[in-house]
Parts: sequence; structure tokens; C-alpha cells
Amino acid sequence: QKEVEQDPGPLSVPEGAIVSLNCTYSNSAFQYFMWYRQYSRKGPELLMYTYSSGNKEDGRFTAQVDKSSKYISLFIRDSQPSDSATYLCAMARYNYGQNFVFGPGTRLSVLP
Amino acid sequence: DGGITQSPKYLFRKEGQNVTLSCEQNLNHDAMYWYRQDPGQGLRLIYYSQIVNDFQKGDIAEGYSVSREKKESFPLTVTSAQKNPTAFYLCAATQGIGVNTEAFFGQGTRLTVV
Repeated sequence: QKEVEQDPGPLSVPEGAIVSLNCTYSNSAFQYFMWYRQYSRKGPELLMYTYSSGNKEDGRFTAQVDKSSKYISLFIRDSQPSDSATYLCAMARYNYGQNFVFGPGTRLSVLP
Repeated sequence: DGGITQSPKYLFRKEGQNVTLSCEQNLNHDAMYWYRQDPGQGLRLIYYSQIVNDFQKGDIAEGYSVSREKKESFPLTVTSAQKNPTAFYLCAATQGIGVNTEAFFGQGTRLTVV
């Protein structure tokens, strides 16, 4: 079993839809959870960063962490064509970069 | 504009050749990393460095080498010992140990063996 699993997609939705992206993990020691967005042929950029369980909201994006189920989600409201990208989840036991474990990414297409 | 610059964007390597990928940052961050990205796989850590003149192997260091002579620079050499080097290589930097340690990434170098 991989340490972090993520549905690779591709996921296609119409503009304006609510998108749910998910990751599951096996290591209960993970405390830091991140979502990165990666446009084609570009480097990833950080979207959301959460520590421990709970929800965090930033504009149209909401990150949710359920440590009891070892499950994290990213919700995108009112999705736009500019949201079309690959979304990578990442998590870590300690807040040191070398500890980050990345999921394989979900490719999202938002159709106008 | 603060950030991480990787060059070249595309690189072609012949069998048996060593090639060096450049990574420069002007964020004044202490820690730098090299990742490899393959389709369907998460980013995998090759090497990382927390301070100048010190670096550590990541999960897939075989066939790669690095140096950290300056804080701003962390070049990666892909040696002929790397049997499957075709991939997208990403350099990243973090401030170091602390709260909300965001990883900033460069735009990547796509290496292809010809």
C-alpha cells in the first residue's frame, strides 16, 4: 500500500461546479497537510496548508482534514477554467521539507 | 521578484553522459531540495540540503549527485549511473525549521535521454 493515495483522474467538470479532491494516507503520524496546484509543465504552488484536523477556508478553496479516517479533501467552489490543473496533496510528520510525502496528483479540467 | 530559477527548461542527454541541472534561489531560504516527478507518481525526493556545504540523500539518490557551495545555488548532476533519467525535475526551497514551512518550487527541467 502506498503511503499516500490519490485518484489520478482525469476529472472533468463544467464551469461553476463544486469540485472535491481527495487523498487517503496510511501513516497516522502525519500532522501537516498541504494541497499544491500544478499547471502543465510548471512547478507546483502551495494552495492550502493545515495543521492537524479540521477545516480551513481561503476564498473558493476549503481544505478538510479527518485524521481519524486518514482522509483529506480539497473543495473548490464555483470552479473556473483557470482551475484546470493537477492538484497534489502532500503531508508530513514533522514540519521539515524533507519529510513531505506527495500524492501522485489528480488532473482536473474545468470546461467552459 | 523572489523565486527559484531552474535551467534549462528542456535538456537532452545521450546515453553515458553526465548532465547538470541548475537551481538558483533569491528567497534567502536555508533548505533546498531536488525532486523527480514521473507520470502517475508523487514527487520523489532525490537530495536535500539544510545548510551550505551539507546535503543528505533522499529516497532515490542513486545515480545523482549535488553540491551546495553557496546558499543560493543547489545544482543536480544526473550521472551515467542513473539508468532511467528521463523525468521532470523540480527544485524547491523552504525557509527551514518553523511553522508553516511552505515549499517554493521552480518551474522544472524536463530531461530526456536520446
